[in-house]
Amino acid sequence: LAKTTQPISMDSYEGQEVNITCSHNNIATNDYITWYQQFPSQGPRFIIQGYKTKVTNEVASLFIPADRKSSTLSLPRVSLSDTAVYYCLVGSNNAGNMLTFGGGTRLMVKP
Amino acid sequence: ETGVTQTPRHLVMGMTNKKSLKCEQHLGHNAMYWYKQSAKKPLELMFVYNFKEQTENNSVPSRFSPECPNSSHLFLHLHTLQPEDSALYLCASSQDGWGHQPQHFGDGTRLSIL
Repeated sequence: LAKTTQPISMDSYEGQEVNITCSHNNIATNDYITWYQQFPSQGPRFIIQGYKTKVTNEVASLFIPADRKSSTLSLPRVSLSDTAVYYCLVGSNNAGNMLTFGGGTRLMVKP
Repeated sequence: ETGVTQTPRHLVMGMTNKKSLKCEQHLGHNAMYWYKQSAKKPLELMFVYNFKEQTENNSVPSRFSPECPNSSHLFLHLHTLQPEDSALYLCASSQDGWGHQPQHFGDGTRLSIL
């Protein structure tokens, strides 16, 4: 079961690009990397998912190096509403391979 | 609107009460999950159902009893809970339990045990 390590917290300012890195040294061949965002008193929301190289959608980009032992979530031009906890999740839903959320990264965006 | 609805949103109960949490998903998914999120702790996976069959039970005490009557509904029956069971209980669903499809979460039930 791949374990993830993320910074506990990060601060940023409105309009800046934020990069949050997640380490997952024992990622397995079948594992995907998924990022979620969670606001207080709400459930996590899916942001982006990738397997290798780079994935981009309307809200974020995900960079994954060739060895896949880490990944970086990139949020372009953050706003105050991006203040949340961001979770990196590595694994698959295969039976017997339970998904484990780590502690997440608490991002604070300041004006 | 996430497509996953949990009721009630808040619940206060005594240790001797019996109550149930309900989750309903409108996404056509076949896998459903219960998570527990305590203050200052990561989400803990409790149960997984795939096509109505329970596939995972993460060493959860028997005072928590899940039920999945169909692919769209999931219940968590509670009885004789302890104060340390106070937490946010989150339900999630995904297309199925075998692939890597992202999970869609409800907004949870905030449970307080007196």
